[in-house]
Amino acid sequence: DTGVSQNPRHKITKRGQNVTFRCDPISEHNRLYWYRQTLGQGPEFLTYFQNEAQLEKSRLLSDRFSAERPKGSFSTLEIQRTEQGDSAMYLCASSAPGSGNTIYFGEGSWLTVV
Amino acid sequence: AQSVTQLGSHVSVSEGALVLLRCNYSSSVPPYLFWYVQYPNQGLQLLLKYTSAATLVKGINGFEAEFKKSETSFHLTKPSAHMSDAAEYFCAVRDSGAGSYQLTFGKGTKLSVIP
Repeated sequence: DTGVSQNPRHKITKRGQNVTFRCDPISEHNRLYWYRQTLGQGPEFLTYFQNEAQLEKSRLLSDRFSAERPKGSFSTLEIQRTEQGDSAMYLCASSAPGSGNTIYFGEGSWLTVV
Repeated sequence: AQSVTQLGSHVSVSEGALVLLRCNYSSSVPPYLFWYVQYPNQGLQLLLKYTSAATLVKGINGFEAEFKKSETSFHLTKPSAHMSDAAEYFCAVRDSGAGSYQLTFGKGTKLSVIP
């Protein structure tokens, strides 16, 4: 069990550029989640996958955001035309049926838009 | 809709003193409740969880929490604070209904431990 892996850990980008983050969940975990955390706040839910199906999306996930999990394993979160307000830590998490409803988080990917 | 309120954005305790971090929730259905800890520039680590079994839940690092339905609370305690407990703590709630997997977090409480 290597835990939830996210990369890159840090990304600095210019406003208007596109960025993509990758998440590798814990092996055998069929559920995968993306959260966003800004300074001084708790994480906010963005979206959730069960296998390759995206089952929930928050209103926070604007049209510039897209998440995929094509083969039900790793996931990507892409932000197009980044804005300074997108600066945050993007957290990925995963869980498995029968794990007692436990959601395991990765280390997060910090995005700074300049 | 679910919500979580953590009273006190910053709590300071002396090393060896009792730690008490407060969490109140609102949920339209019986909830699952969680406490996570976050160290600087890191992700969240699960401390403990309540999923409708025993109301007193023991977690890692000597922490425990008690679910009190009448008070809609799930406060986190530790009898004796250690310097390594300095971190930010988040309470989270999830509906126990089928198909609902979204966690709603509080704003967090930053714990400082004074030597």
